[in-house]
Amino acid sequence: KQEVTQIPAALSVPEGENLVLNCSFTDSAIYNLQWFRQDPGKGLTSLLLIQSSQREQTSGRLNASLDKSSGRSTLYIAASQPGDSATYLCGGGSQGNLIFGKGTKLSVKP
Amino acid sequence: SQTIHQWPATLVQPVGSPLSLECTVEGTSNPNLYWYRQAAGRGLQLLFYSVGIGQISSEVPQNLSASRPQDRQFILSSKKLLLSDSGFYLCAWREALNSPLHFGNGTRLTVT
Repeated sequence: KQEVTQIPAALSVPEGENLVLNCSFTDSAIYNLQWFRQDPGKGLTSLLLIQSSQREQTSGRLNASLDKSSGRSTLYIAASQPGDSATYLCGGGSQGNLIFGKGTKLSVKP
Repeated sequence: SQTIHQWPATLVQPVGSPLSLECTVEGTSNPNLYWYRQAAGRGLQLLFYSVGIGQISSEVPQNLSASRPQDRQFILSSKKLLLSDSGFYLCAWREALNSPLHFGNGTRLTVT
């Protein structure tokens, strides 16, 4: 059964810093991995989707990588801004469903 | 473009009362539909998913049920709410297994 873990649970950085969020999964038969952002009291907003055949995806200041052999994905945020403050979740797709980690709560201080 | 609608946004219900949460998707056909629950400290828990009309799969045995009466409509129900049913309920959809998953804005349910 797929299990997804995100480290760290919380992260506070000064504005402008580059940062990396980590996601690990147990089922290497994953067929894709998706990163989301969630603002307080809101639904999840999709950031990036990486298919199992891909190594990485980029969107603006965001870059997500996927290493199936090690069961890891990272989300790299360049030049962080206060508006990036939110909870970031990764979801691993296997057996028809997306299983989520508990998220990393990011705070970017001005 | 595709959109997902979920309502109500907030709901306060007494223990033992029934529940009906509705989710509809526009701009696509035969989507895969999902109900998740997010409780404090427990992350997102998949409750039900559906790959077609009348096809419902349950992930967790519980006090809830789901139905898909129309292609783009997904309903979460309960006959008698428990205190433990409180949480943030999220509906989601995607076109296929390798497509991005898109979420609605959620319903905050408080059972008193």
